[in-house]
Amino acid sequence: DTGVSQNPRHKITKRGQNVTFRCDPISEHNRLYWYRQTLGQGPEFLTYFQNEAQLEKSRLLSDRFSAERPKGSFSTLEIQRTEQGDSAMYLCASSLAGVGVWEQFFGPGTRLTVL
Amino acid sequence: AQTVTQSQPEMSVQEAETVTLSCTYDTSESDYYLFWYKQPPSRQMILVIRQEAYKQQNATENRFSVNFQKAAKSFSLKISDSQLGDAAMYFCAGELGATNKLIFGTGTLLAVQP
Repeated sequence: DTGVSQNPRHKITKRGQNVTFRCDPISEHNRLYWYRQTLGQGPEFLTYFQNEAQLEKSRLLSDRFSAERPKGSFSTLEIQRTEQGDSAMYLCASSLAGVGVWEQFFGPGTRLTVL
Repeated sequence: AQTVTQSQPEMSVQEAETVTLSCTYDTSESDYYLFWYKQPPSRQMILVIRQEAYKQQNATENRFSVNFQKAAKSFSLKISDSQLGDAAMYFCAGELGATNKLIFGTGTLLAVQP
């Protein structure tokens, strides 16, 4: 399977705990994106990387959130001191930046439940 | 502000019939891309169709086609010969001008009746 993969698929945690999610993009893709999707809503942009550089962060991404993409390959999204409002589906997508039409390929998501 | 709006939370269609899902957007940019994504229950989002703003011709992919009205900032999706497997949440999304990110609408849940 050469698509975008995310682990874990589900995570249940208690309020105040830290969690980390991983995303493995399509191998030749140089851009990687994180989105958050709450029930009944469309995905909302959180941040994106081009290679290893984090180029933009949404104001939705509070200082409890941090994302990394070491060596421009996989990415991790960490949430510190989780709150109940962090409960959502966290989606990762990747794309190949270049001239012309581009599209983002999405992973299956990590569903986070904060108790 | 750049926005994408879907005003139909739910739609229903009979198998083999045609259905149109609506989407409007707002941007002041002249160069942008529009997309329709399908999200089946508990499955990942997949791209259905895309449209470049500079192209006047409406995009078509098999049973899926769009009606792109640039002046009206409208981007509707037509599904012909609906099949049971088309049942899903459909999201309209846009890369509305060199932002390198997608802005999504709130989605339309499509039910296909046998």
